[in-house]
Amino acid sequence: GENVEQHPSTLSVQEGDSAVIKCTYSDSASNYFPWYKQELGKRPQLIIDIRSNVGEKKDQRIAVTLNKTAKHFSLHITETQPEDSAVYFCAASFSGGYNKLIFGAGTRLAVHP
Amino acid sequence: EPEVTQTPSHQVTQMGQEVILRCVPISNHLYFYWYRQILGQKVEFLVSFYNNEISEKSEIFDDQFSVERPDGSNFTLKIRSTKLEDSAMYFCASTGEQTQYFGPGTRLLVL
Repeated sequence: GENVEQHPSTLSVQEGDSAVIKCTYSDSASNYFPWYKQELGKRPQLIIDIRSNVGEKKDQRIAVTLNKTAKHFSLHITETQPEDSAVYFCAASFSGGYNKLIFGAGTRLAVHP
Repeated sequence: EPEVTQTPSHQVTQMGQEVILRCVPISNHLYFYWYRQILGQKVEFLVSFYNNEISEKSEIFDDQFSVERPDGSNFTLKIRSTKLEDSAMYFCASTGEQTQYFGPGTRLLVL
């Protein structure tokens, strides 16, 4: 069935270091891969997304890479700051996101000053 | 910037009671969704809705659940007879151009 695996479940870094979160997906028809940041008790907020016709996308300190052959995608955060501390979820969908999102289990990122 | 809104923010109910969770999607969006998140777990898809009908539902969305768009702005999720395991955060989402935007959620506690 449709599944998204996410690793690691927790990640602890020092301020200024980079953080990498990895996801794999099972449905080869998936073509849309958003990343959401969720702070405690808040809604998931989209931080970046990528579509299957692109291999990499960058927005300031955040970048996402996609390997369609291997069916995995990764989130890279550079120069981490304490305010980056949150739970990050990857997700996958097909038909460009109009269909349901299948979420990974989440990564709790802690950035220590 | 327009946002998805949800009411109530918190709901406490007794097992067996009916609850209705309300959402106002972003006004020009055409696709609507309900997701739930049990405390400490991942976000799970419940149902998607387009053109006044359900387009897809998950195994979680059994006969106890229903959705409705009673007017041009509201989108509701009804749970007919709540169970203890229905306790979760319920998020509404909407999309117009592929990105799904989430509401702030309703935290449902079934006692």
